[in-house]
Amino acid sequence: EAQVTQNPRYLITVTGKKLTVTCSQNMNHEYMSWYRQDPGLGLRQIYYSMNVEVTDKGDVPEGYKVSRKEKRNFPLILESPSPNQTSLYFCASSFRQGGTEAFFGQGTRLTVV
Amino acid sequence: AQSVTQLGSHVSVSEGALVLLRCNYSSSVPPYLFWYVQYPNQGLQLLLKYTSAATLVKGINGFEAEFKKSETSFHLTKPSAHMSDAAEYFCAVKPYSGGYNKLIFGAGTRLAVHP
Repeated sequence: EAQVTQNPRYLITVTGKKLTVTCSQNMNHEYMSWYRQDPGLGLRQIYYSMNVEVTDKGDVPEGYKVSRKEKRNFPLILESPSPNQTSLYFCASSFRQGGTEAFFGQGTRLTVV
Repeated sequence: AQSVTQLGSHVSVSEGALVLLRCNYSSSVPPYLFWYVQYPNQGLQLLLKYTSAATLVKGINGFEAEFKKSETSFHLTKPSAHMSDAAEYFCAVKPYSGGYNKLIFGAGTRLAVHP
């Protein structure tokens, strides 16, 4: 089954404690990205990757890191989480051709206290 | 900068009534356009997409949308609402300036369906 898998689904952490949210896709997609969803703001792109070892900032990259060492995996790293990073996070993947749709993971609800 | 505007953060309809969710985009070059639906505690699921073929696009669950270049709109409709349609709906564009890869989302419209 074609899917994007995120883990964990729910996470509560304390300010400053490093965490990683994993994302894996099994569709051989080149393009992967991370979004955060906040009420009234829709989804905003954090980082994206066009292919292995190619990553770039999206619209709200501050406080986040990513890596793309393998085509299927695109982890999101928060080195020192802060309460303003409390949000719902989604990983998405797609082929690079523009007309193709993105497939989304189930989401990770992060709370930083 | 490219943007997507969804008019109405909340829309409420009766079961069986017409559903109309509005979306306008800003783009000098016709983009690719998408509608996604998000059910509670779930990820986003594609409803339909416009990729410069037919301007009237049919999607899943009886939804359709019409691309109107002159109005820069891509409104989502369904003739008869079901209770199961209650969800949040997002309009999104892939603009040419993003290499047609980046998705830009509207703020979302939460649809409530009442008996």
